[in-house]
Amino acid sequence: NAGVTQTPKFQVLKTGQSMTLQCAQDMNHEYMSWYRQDPGMGLRLIHYSVGAGITDQGEVPNGYNVSRSTTEDFPLRLLSAAPSQTSVYFCASSSNRMGTQYFGPGTRLTVL
Amino acid sequence: AQSVTQLDSQVPVFEEAPVELRCNYSSSVSVYLFWYVQYPNQGLQLLLKYLSGSTLVKGINGFEAEFNKSQTSFHLRKPSVHISDTAEYFCAVSDTSNYQLIWGAGTKLIIKP
Repeated sequence: NAGVTQTPKFQVLKTGQSMTLQCAQDMNHEYMSWYRQDPGMGLRLIHYSVGAGITDQGEVPNGYNVSRSTTEDFPLRLLSAAPSQTSVYFCASSSNRMGTQYFGPGTRLTVL
Repeated sequence: AQSVTQLDSQVPVFEEAPVELRCNYSSSVSVYLFWYVQYPNQGLQLLLKYLSGSTLVKGINGFEAEFNKSQTSFHLRKPSVHISDTAEYFCAVSDTSNYQLIWGAGTKLIIKP
């Protein structure tokens, strides 16, 4: 099992550009989440999904979209990148609400 | 609303000394509690979790944590640390009715040789 994979590992964007961060898991987990990690702030939930076709907003959803067409994939779209979106982004999955969350290696995004 | 406070942003300790990393939370409902560890340039992995039952929870790598409901705390302890424990440690809480984890800001454990 590869676990949770994320691509790309690094990305530099210019303000106003759009892009998609990819996340995939091969553990057949129903729950998937996207977080951003900023220094001194821990992790903040952007969006999450409790199963294919079901998504919901987390704490900081503005400027981001998600979809969940399959159990395996949960892409995060930045619609129009802003410098405030410079961060490290983590995708995570778990088998149920109280289960262990398995994290991907992260994507370091810089918006100029 | 729930919140999590990790009282120390950095904790320096000598190798083989004991360590306690503090975590306090605020919530008006029943909670699940978690400690995750992040090694440099990696994702996070679960150290231990409290769902119910015994308030003393043992995790991987010799770590343990105690849930104290009256003090709303979930402090992480290890009796003897090693260089390999150098990492950032995150406390997180969720209430038992929804999926969203609320995270603390993290505590960097710095091991001095």
